[in-house]
Amino acid sequence: SAVISQKPSRDICQRGTSLTIQCQVDSQVTMMFWYRQQPGQSLTLIATANQGSEATYESGFVIDKFPISRPNLTFSTLTVSNLSPEDSSIYLCSVGKGTYNEQFFGPGTRLTVL
Amino acid sequence: DAKTTQPPSMDCAEGRAANLPCNHSTISGNEYVYWYRQIHSQGPQYIIHGLKNNETNEMASLIITEDRKSSTLILPHATLRDTAVYYCIVPDYNNNDMRFGAGTRLTVKP
Repeated sequence: SAVISQKPSRDICQRGTSLTIQCQVDSQVTMMFWYRQQPGQSLTLIATANQGSEATYESGFVIDKFPISRPNLTFSTLTVSNLSPEDSSIYLCSVGKGTYNEQFFGPGTRLTVL
Repeated sequence: DAKTTQPPSMDCAEGRAANLPCNHSTISGNEYVYWYRQIHSQGPQYIIHGLKNNETNEMASLIITEDRKSSTLILPHATLRDTAVYYCIVPDYNNNDMRFGAGTRLTVKP
């Protein structure tokens, strides 16, 4: 398995600002993923962030709004830019690990935009 | 898009077995079935996965039909702490990213 931490655990931000979320893993992993979970909804994949390559974004998510960094095999950041109330969600990172790349999730970052 | 369908909700009595069904009729021969659960306000937790054989671990058992078009997750003795949303996922073989559907909200009642 993997132990994953996220910072911050929650934040309240003003409209038009940005928030950068950090994801730290206790071991080296190639595959990292970022998800969004809007209130009362399931998880939606934002992007896949593999070390050594540009992040791959899912339909409906763009790099200008959700820039991602992946500087090494244990760390990644997701920035949510130009915040609006519609960005209020839980943002989760996960890593693919294990023999069959089963995913392990961080605890999430709860973002509220006023 | 999720390739699975699950009932939106189920109830189970504490101490009884919880049987959560999942349909994945378009699964291909080399794609695995994964189960995760999300307890309120936490990140999803990996439970189990399988290809064609039944699987068991310390958390649950996974029964996959012979044609692989459906599966059942079994929690043998459900407790109140098993109340969660359970997700059945069949990721694409090539990229293995987990795409979550709506899941089944399991409520374990005393």
